[in-house]
Amino acid sequence: DAGVIQSPRHEVTEMGQEVTLRCKPISGHNSLFWYRQTMMRGLELLIYFNNNVPIDDSGMPEDRFSAKMPNASFSTLKIQPSEPRDSAVYFCASSWPGQGLTEAFFGQGTRLTVV
Amino acid sequence: KNEVEQSPQNLTAQEGEFITINCSYSVGISALHWLQQHPGGGIVSLFMLSSGKKKHGRLIATINIQEKHSSLHITASHPRDSAVYICAGGSNYQLIWGAGTKLIIKP
Repeated sequence: DAGVIQSPRHEVTEMGQEVTLRCKPISGHNSLFWYRQTMMRGLELLIYFNNNVPIDDSGMPEDRFSAKMPNASFSTLKIQPSEPRDSAVYFCASSWPGQGLTEAFFGQGTRLTVV
Repeated sequence: KNEVEQSPQNLTAQEGEFITINCSYSVGISALHWLQQHPGGGIVSLFMLSSGKKKHGRLIATINIQEKHSSLHITASHPRDSAVYICAGGSNYQLIWGAGTKLIIKP
């Protein structure tokens, strides 16, 4: 398996534009996480899906952020409209079924810059 | 006080040295992750452990649940080990993240 695949790796966009980040989890994993990493706040969990269903989206900063998981092999994180303070590295991670905490595998991340 | 604390924040050592990074937590967790992040790179899961010790190559991770403490050791360190090492603990999908330890190994 190629691991968790994220695209694009880098995104530079102008304030106000819509940004869509994509993630393909590892086949067979049923949990998917979107994280945001900044220097100031470190890694923050934005949203957690289990079996394609959003379980916890309490970390989503505001209504400008939305995430979907239409099937087990694809998820998107959308920011509309984007703002400079959204600049960060966004990571997607997936893990396999299990009770309690299981090991998470991370993608390479998408570095977003909003100018 | 953070619920997961790492020490040291920064560590510089010479190639070949034995490295120890510590992680203490104040919350109940069922398991603890050690992860590695290279500059500009992704995050790699090194270990997940809930008791005892795990070893992979030159990396060793230990955890003492009673003392709420975990350590990551690197034997015969090499410049390619230079990275940020992060510990994170949790009991379900929620992880509480340490601030990371930036390790630099000089040749």
